[in-house]
Amino acid sequence: DADVTQTPRNRITKTGKRIMLECSQTKGHDRMYWYRQDPGLGLRLIYYSFDVKDINKGEISDGYSVSRQAQAKFSLSLESAIPNQTALYFCATSDSVGTDTQYFGPGTRLTVL
Amino acid sequence: GENVEQHPSTLSVQEGDSAVIKCTYSDSASNYFPWYKQELGKGPQLIIDIRSNVGEKKDQRIAVTLNKTAKHFSLHITETQPEDSAVYFCAASSGGYQKVTFGIGTKLQVIP
Repeated sequence: DADVTQTPRNRITKTGKRIMLECSQTKGHDRMYWYRQDPGLGLRLIYYSFDVKDINKGEISDGYSVSRQAQAKFSLSLESAIPNQTALYFCATSDSVGTDTQYFGPGTRLTVL
Repeated sequence: GENVEQHPSTLSVQEGDSAVIKCTYSDSASNYFPWYKQELGKGPQLIIDIRSNVGEKKDQRIAVTLNKTAKHFSLHITETQPEDSAVYFCAASSGGYQKVTFGIGTKLQVIP
């Protein structure tokens, strides 16, 4: 969905490096999420934020941190990347008012060597 | 927490045939069950959803059924077309904070 953008789309990094994945949305939604997708494991929630001052850990938050800089921006950081963090990362948004639909960005493919 | 199991993990059908994907959930408090379609190189996109107060919902060639007693729900795609080839995720959530638990996904291949 073009309303949710992620940068970069692809990233190759080395073990131990700190990296940041960025997500921006123009949908005006207050809720934002970071997921990780691995083959055979589906989509797993890393962090979620229901507004700028509200940040919550998901099921696999270890090794990750997030920052909600504004309602429209939600960044995911890997403090010290390790190879098992190689995955496809998705940002998603939803609106606290109205439907429960989550809108996903196009994903960032991260490879940690 | 919620646990969602999805099967099969892969499914191949001939064009024009029907495809069925099944999911079960563990939390009886779950009341919202969306299905997402992920095409190659893209993020998942909602295709249909159902709430616990209904047993079936239909939208053209796709339908979803829900059995609350058995805690399972299914996606049915009729008259499959090559463009239906994708990965499909079921999901379940409860409460007002929309924390959604996804299944592992089903890779559907429609053979022309």
